[in-house]
Amino acid sequence: QKEVEQNSGPLSVPEGAIASLNCTYSDRGSQSFFWYRQYSGKSPELIMFIYSNGDKEDGRFTAQLNKASQYVSLLIRDSQPSDSATYLCAVNIGGNTPLVFGKGTRLSVIA
Amino acid sequence: NAGVMQNPRHLVRRRGQEARLRCSPMKGHSHVYWYRQLPEEGLKFMVYLQKENIIDESGMPKERFSAEFPKEGPSILRIQQVVRGDSAAYFCASSPGAESNQPQHFGDGTRLSIL
Repeated sequence: QKEVEQNSGPLSVPEGAIASLNCTYSDRGSQSFFWYRQYSGKSPELIMFIYSNGDKEDGRFTAQLNKASQYVSLLIRDSQPSDSATYLCAVNIGGNTPLVFGKGTRLSVIA
Repeated sequence: NAGVMQNPRHLVRRRGQEARLRCSPMKGHSHVYWYRQLPEEGLKFMVYLQKENIIDESGMPKERFSAEFPKEGPSILRIQQVVRGDSAAYFCASSPGAESNQPQHFGDGTRLSIL
């Protein structure tokens, strides 16, 4: 059973702080890792993806991948109230296989 | 609009009726995925299709549910004889290829309500 685990939260951070969202996965053969943001009642929106160990930065977002520990994280710098949403971690083990999603972490940025 | 298009956005059906959900992938994308999301739950994979082929339907219930992606036209997720438990948001995603590094982009979803 391929599993992706996330802390459901809510994770509350003050405006301007760094929000750290974590995700672990069970399948050691996983190859690609995606972070989606989902506002309440809306569809998931892709914000980051990472394939290699290490960090990948895009604006205020940094994805971190550690395949040895089967751990992927998302850092949001200078958090804004508009970042308040549920963040979904998704994992692909490769080839013609579907994404496996975690249940998401609810982030609340307090002004 | 070059994004993934789903319709209808909201669909209300009575128990026992049929529900048809449509999805047109992004331009240039030939791979379509359907997911179901219950309130406060994550996205659950249902079925993965390419044009005229079902690649993986391991997440789709064996009874009452079917999916197709014809050569022409949108992908259709069909639910026959709906029950209250079918009430959920159904999302379609598309990607240009099957490689693991191809991100999936989601449509706005269809909210299905069963009376």
